[in-house]
Amino acid sequence: AQSVTQLDSHVSVSEGTPVLLRCNYSSSYSPSLFWYVQHPNKGLQLLLKYTSAATLVKGINGFEAEFKKSETSFHLTKPSAHMSDAAEYFCVVRILGYQKVTFGTGTKLQVIP
Amino acid sequence: DAGVIQSPRHEVTEMGQEVTLRCKPISGHDYLFWYRQTMMRGLELLIYFNNNVPIDDSGMPEDRFSAKMPNASFSTLKIQPSEPRDSAVYFCASSFGVDGGALNEQFFGPGTRLTVL
Repeated sequence: AQSVTQLDSHVSVSEGTPVLLRCNYSSSYSPSLFWYVQHPNKGLQLLLKYTSAATLVKGINGFEAEFKKSETSFHLTKPSAHMSDAAEYFCVVRILGYQKVTFGTGTKLQVIP
Repeated sequence: DAGVIQSPRHEVTEMGQEVTLRCKPISGHDYLFWYRQTMMRGLELLIYFNNNVPIDDSGMPEDRFSAKMPNASFSTLKIQPSEPRDSAVYFCASSFGVDGGALNEQFFGPGTRLTVL
C-alpha cells in the first residue's frame, strides 16, 4: 500500500522569500516520488522526480526536493518565490514496478507581492 | 511533440445526455490514464490501460461510466446518462512503461471541463 500526505492545504509567502511545501509518504516498498504543479485552469506539469541516485533532486523553475527516508518526507523548496509560482502543487508516490500512482490532496501556494 | 491531446476542452450538457471525452496519448506511450478532479475529492484515478487493455477500472464510479481504447493513439471516456454530480475536470495522462519499474512520469493533457446542468 502507498499513501501521501501533504501537510498544508494552503501556503502563503511573500515574493522573494523561501518556499517550503511539505510532503510525507508511506510505502511498503521503495517509492518513486514526484512533484507536479497545476496552474489555474491548466493541466499538471512535472516539476521533479526522485531517483535513487541522489536524495537531493533539482527540478524546473528553481525548485528542488530532498528525499529523507528516515523521515519518510519529500519536501519541496525554492529559495525565492516568484509571482508566477502561484499554483497548486501535488506530491505523488508510486511503488517501483507499478504504474498506479497516489496523489496528495494538493497545496495551494499564494505569492504576495 | 504535441503532448497529450484532449477534446473537447469544455463541455456543457444537460442531465441525462450522453457525454464522450476523447484523448490522444503521446506517441510511443503504452500506458493511458483517466483521472477526475473535483474540489471535494481532489484527483481520482478512474481507469488505466496498458497496450490498449484496461488494467484497473476500480476507480470508475458507476456503470454509467465506460472507457475504451480501440488503438494506441485514441481513447474515450463515456458517461451515459450524465448527472450533475459528474461535473468535474477530466484529465487524460500517458506514460512509457519500462520493465523493471523505471521512473516514468505521467504526462497530462490540458483536461476537459465538464458541466452537467
